Amino acid sequence: QVTLRESGPALVKPTQTLTLTCTFSGFSLSTSGMCVSWIRQPPGKALEWLALIDWDDDKYYSTSLKTRLTISKDTSKNQVVLTMTNMDPVDTATYYCARIPSGSYYGWFDPWGQGTLVTVSS
Amino acid sequence: EIVLTQSPGTLSLSPGERATLSCRASQSVSSSYLAWYQQKPGQAPRLLIYGASSRATGIPDRFSGSGSGTDFTLTISRLEPEDFAVYYCQQYGSSPQYTFGQGTKLEIK
Repeated sequence: QVTLRESGPALVKPTQTLTLTCTFSGFSLSTSGMCVSWIRQPPGKALEWLALIDWDDDKYYSTSLKTRLTISKDTSKNQVVLTMTNMDPVDTATYYCARIPSGSYYGWFDPWGQGTLVTVSS
Repeated sequence: EIVLTQSPGTLSLSPGERATLSCRASQSVSSSYLAWYQQKPGQAPRLLIYGASSRATGIPDRFSGSGSGTDFTLTISRLEPEDFAVYYCQQYGSSPQYTFGQGTKLEIK
């Protein structure tokens, strides 16, 4: 069974850096074609893709946020970490990690973690 | 960036009825890279359809996807009470970059 779980602070102050960890099981990020991605959703709003890391350690970022994002992986721990700098109240959202299955050729997200709500406020 | 526009914003139907949800892209999307998700309140999205028309594992056959180019459709043939939720389409573009539609809320009439 494939599962993913996000962890990190529930509250960050403006200008701080957010660090989120995605811990997964049931698959290996060393498998060719496998990827893990981060997606966020502000309260009551639509989904927004943030970043992706693949089995070969290639990293891809949202064009609009790439200057603030860093994604990395620790294959031995089955973890993917996302950092976002210079947090602002508009970054308040539920942050999800999700697997991109091998064989999907980077196509779709399945499954998703339960998400973690991050509030940016002083 | 490819923009996905979903319509209608809200769809009010009764159990047993047929639901047709639309997703229109600002430029042509490869059918291989168009997906649909269902999201219930307080839950993460769940993959329903990938490759425009293939059902994900465990998805009932009342859900079907179709379309190509810039126009895609999610159809629920006969609504069950558990189908009332928000539905999102998603596309994968080169680089890679991903975009989602703004969602269609399917509510009980």
